[in-house]
Amino acid sequence: IAGITQAPTSQILAAGRRMTLRCTQDMRHNAMYWYRQDLGLGLRLIHYSNTAGTTGKGEVPDGYSVSRANTDDFPLTLASAVPSQTSVYFCASSDDRASGYTFGSGTRLTVV
Amino acid sequence: DAKTTQPPSMDCAEGRAANLPCNHSTISGNEYVYWYRQIHSQGPQYIIHGLKNNETNEMASLIITEDRKSSTLILPHATLRDTAVYYCIASFYSGNTGKLIFGQGTTLQVKP
Repeated sequence: IAGITQAPTSQILAAGRRMTLRCTQDMRHNAMYWYRQDLGLGLRLIHYSNTAGTTGKGEVPDGYSVSRANTDDFPLTLASAVPSQTSVYFCASSDDRASGYTFGSGTRLTVV
Repeated sequence: DAKTTQPPSMDCAEGRAANLPCNHSTISGNEYVYWYRQIHSQGPQYIIHGLKNNETNEMASLIITEDRKSSTLILPHATLRDTAVYYCIASFYSGNTGKLIFGQGTTLQVKP
């Protein structure tokens, strides 16, 4: 693993199903983030975590939950998926040296 | 976080300098200016950031006006691989608690 790993790469999900998107980083960054990007639009912040054990809400948190049990992992859960959650989801992390975010390659989720 | 304004699109000839403007007239004294780019549907890539001094790295230069109300990202010798959406973001960075809020960005098309 180098950087941020997201899984799955893509998923087609039936509406109403529960889904967890996985994000793992090996850089020991304290802060982690989840963004969604809809077709032709910019990224919107869903949830973030400044350090293990803490989380916060971003711009569009409704319908999503996160946990941060340890430094490396920051899973995003859709408790009951709806079609409007069809999007590309990006996980990111940052350290405390103001060197910018590192982004994962994204998970393309389609809710049908 | 201060709102930023960027032109929706720009063209640049291959080999020439690409100058991407960004207005952030409401930026506060301790907000940094960050630049990221996103190629196709990949995860965003950090380019550069600055507070009030001009900055240069191996990818680009960042010129921030003295009043900090605007900035320009300069790609000195644009190549076709620099075709991407470029995002200018103004954000606090306090240790690892910075949250990046993305706007619509500028789509830069580098033409042969």
